[in-house]
Amino acid sequence: KAGVTQTPRYLIKTRGQQVTLSCSPISGHRSVSWYQQTPGQGLQFLFEYFSETQRNKGNFPGRFSGRQFSNSRSEMNVSTLELGDSALYLCASSLGGIANYGYTFGSGTRLTVV
Amino acid sequence: GNSVTQMEGPVTLSEEAFLTINCTYTATGYPSLFWYVQYPGEGLQLLLKATKADDKGSNKGFEATYRKETTSFHLEKGSVQVSDSAVYFCALLETGNQFYFGTGTSLTVIP
Repeated sequence: KAGVTQTPRYLIKTRGQQVTLSCSPISGHRSVSWYQQTPGQGLQFLFEYFSETQRNKGNFPGRFSGRQFSNSRSEMNVSTLELGDSALYLCASSLGGIANYGYTFGSGTRLTVV
Repeated sequence: GNSVTQMEGPVTLSEEAFLTINCTYTATGYPSLFWYVQYPGEGLQLLLKATKADDKGSNKGFEATYRKETTSFHLEKGSVQVSDSAVYFCALLETGNQFYFGTGTSLTVIP
């Protein structure tokens, strides 16, 4: 079966712009989580959506937002980009969002802010 | 709060050497524990997991045992291969469906 698909794979944006990243989970998975990976901070949790509702949110500023659609696809948006937002953004999907169901990560979107 | 501490890298081993990557955790409840592997330019792949104390996760020759008494989940492999070269992340998952990751350990295996 198809895995978790993240688009685009690479993105270059200018400081001050906004960006939208997309994640298509494995068919049937209803939970989608987002993580930011940077060399300095490692992997940090952004938020988790389940059945179109945000269930949990990490400690990121309000410039980072997300949503989930009825088909479970999710988008995250970053407004007013800063140089420090350059990172690999990973999404993970899960059937129900608990450990026994397992989580599958996508290959990520590499965002570079210049 | 929740946190994961794992062995600093990088680690360089010769092929067929024994591998141990240490991982300890702090959790408020009863977490599930995971090892993920990341190859260059890729996302995270689940290597193994354990959902309760004394469980042993295993996959592709890698093993880790959930030790509640020492709050540890050390990764081991008896004989590493060049293809095992990657970055390894220890992680815990507790309530809130949020992973807490260690900082990652880079492994290079030389022929």
